[in-house]
Amino acid sequence: DGGITQSPKYLFRKEGQNVTLSCEQNLNHDAMYWYRQDPGQGLRLIYYSQIVNDFQKGDIAEGYSVSREKKESFPLTVTSAQKNPTAFYLCASKRTAPQGLPQHFGDGTRLSIL
Amino acid sequence: GQNIDQPTEMTATEGAIVQINCTYQTSGFNGLFWYQQHAGEAPTFLSYNVLDGLEEKGRFSSFLSRSKGYSYLLLKELQMKDSASYLCAVRGAYSGAGSYQLTFGKGTKLSVIP
Repeated sequence: DGGITQSPKYLFRKEGQNVTLSCEQNLNHDAMYWYRQDPGQGLRLIYYSQIVNDFQKGDIAEGYSVSREKKESFPLTVTSAQKNPTAFYLCASKRTAPQGLPQHFGDGTRLSIL
Repeated sequence: GQNIDQPTEMTATEGAIVQINCTYQTSGFNGLFWYQQHAGEAPTFLSYNVLDGLEEKGRFSSFLSRSKGYSYLLLKELQMKDSASYLCAVRGAYSGAGSYQLTFGKGTKLSVIP
């Protein structure tokens, strides 16, 4: 079955440590997205990529980095510069055409501070 | 700027009908999505409206009025499994690189009681 796989489901970060969240999709979607979800808050866009080897900052990119070396993969690194990383992280993907198609989401990674 | 308002919480009885409202002020409008999200899980796509009027999909319907900046999601014959958060997301202005900005509301937590 086609879908989006995020791993790990739960992740713990120590002070000063970088951690990488994995996102893989086999839907042949061009566009991929990373969101952060905090309790009582809407989804906020961290980074997005419309095509391989290209990505754009979202609304809250500071303290995060991404790469898009393959169409299927869009890993997110939470760096030590992100001082409040505890959140639920969601990866999404979609076809870029036709217009109006919805984003499909992975099951999320919950990141906590040790 | 982008502003999307939804009620924070709602409670309804099994078998009843509930209407979840969403009002928005965004720079540009290119469609509105509704997603359902069970606690700790991925959001799943429910509906998309880009023209004024009602879209019906089984027990779920969604309405849009672009002139009023208003949408609602109507859930009929409520079931216990409908207890979830419902996210309104507006596709706004073109943001370049083939992408449109998608802004999420904070979500409405619906509790269905027997």
